[in-house]
Amino acid sequence: QVQLQESGPGLVKPSETLSLTCAVSGYSISSGYYWGWIRQPPGKGLEWIGSIYHSGSTYYNPSLKSRVTISVDTPKNQFSLKLSSVTAADTAVYYCARTVVAASPFDYWGQGTLVTVSS
Amino acid sequence: QPVLTQPPSSSASPGESARLTCTLPSDINVGTYNIYWYQQKPGSPPRYLLYYYSDSDKGQGSGVPSRFSGSKDASANTGILLISGLQSEDEADYYCMIWPSNAVFGGGTKLTVL
Repeated sequence: QVQLQESGPGLVKPSETLSLTCAVSGYSISSGYYWGWIRQPPGKGLEWIGSIYHSGSTYYNPSLKSRVTISVDTPKNQFSLKLSSVTAADTAVYYCARTVVAASPFDYWGQGTLVTVSS
Repeated sequence: QPVLTQPPSSSASPGESARLTCTLPSDINVGTYNIYWYQQKPGSPPRYLLYYYSDSDKGQGSGVPSRFSGSKDASANTGILLISGLQSEDEADYYCMIWPSNAVFGGGTKLTVL
């Protein structure tokens, strides 16, 4: 059974960089598939941030591309999100999730972690 | 980024059917894309339900009951999630998604089971 678990600071100051990690268990990232980040502001809908293939190829939401970096650490079986120059609008629950191929459904999700941007 | 339009809310009684819609912008043909549907309950991550492309190309998520089904209305450029035999546990938010060049979610519909 594939499991994903997000971790990282719950509070980030404005203009700083948000950093999150998603630890994957039950499946080796190096074996394939795509690994993505999705966020959900409180009381609002879902927004895809970006995805990464196990080889390191990345795909980003154009609206966030200038601020987003997603990377993969296959020895640690985890992947990470960095979002720079954050503002209050970046306050959200951040989920990590898996897709089998690039344009396919997110079939496994982490439980999500709330990140608040505030001074 | 295309915008997928979902009604903010919908309601139906137990045992009835609920028809949730996801309308694509006019410059994106619904016939071209898989429509993916997710269910989200409070405090939980979304759960993948199913995808629908056509009657011959569709798929159910793992463990998803067959009373959840998908379809399209080409004349309205709309994807449809049909939930038959509504149960109280179906009360949740439902999101559609397409993947043109990037993953795009609809705004979600809150389904209330009266």
